Amino acid sequence: AQSVTQLGSHVSVSEGALVLLRCNYSSSVPPYLFWYVQYPNQGLQLLLKYTSAATLVKGINGFEAEFKKSETSFHLTKPSAHMSDAAEYFCAVRMSGGYNKLIFGAGTRLAVHP
Amino acid sequence: GAVVSQHPSWVICKSGTSVKIECRSLDFQATTMFWYRQFPKQSLMLMATSNEGSKATYEQGVEKDKFLINHASLTLSTLTVTSAHPEDSSFYICSARDTHTGYEQYFGPGTRLTVT
Repeated sequence: AQSVTQLGSHVSVSEGALVLLRCNYSSSVPPYLFWYVQYPNQGLQLLLKYTSAATLVKGINGFEAEFKKSETSFHLTKPSAHMSDAAEYFCAVRMSGGYNKLIFGAGTRLAVHP
Repeated sequence: GAVVSQHPSWVICKSGTSVKIECRSLDFQATTMFWYRQFPKQSLMLMATSNEGSKATYEQGVEKDKFLINHASLTLSTLTVTSAHPEDSSFYICSARDTHTGYEQYFGPGTRLTVT
């Protein structure tokens, strides 16, 4: 079975500081991993995805994530936080087989303060 | 490209009535669509997988007779909440998987349902 765990339900950073949102996965097969962002009362927007190509994945809005198999991690980072980054972030793993359903982590709420 | 719309964006209905939510893929074909439910400050919970021309596959614990899903075309899936009750109040989000690219899901903006 596949799953993801997001460490830290709330993360608070200062504007301009490094953003680090943690995600660990469990999968018996090479995983496809995703990071999504959700703004209040909106759907999900794909930030980036790992599909077994390059381990360092660059996404939109300056975010990137590194796939580390040895650590079963796919942490999301951004060098310098912006106020507009305040949102809910979800890590997800795509299930193998069937309809390739996505399994979501619990989410991390990012707050950015001046 | 890859836009998914939902209608309505919000709806208020009275307890005991039914409400239908539409999910459309606007610029691609989607053989498979997914319906999620999200409670405040929580993650997305997959309710069912909808396949064009066939019966939906429901996740364990989701009442099939309460949440009716119809996927009549390659661009439209509907979720009908029957005999709605206040505990059905939630944020419902659909996603659509592009038939041609295969695996990526594109999410709709969500529908806020409030049952009074």
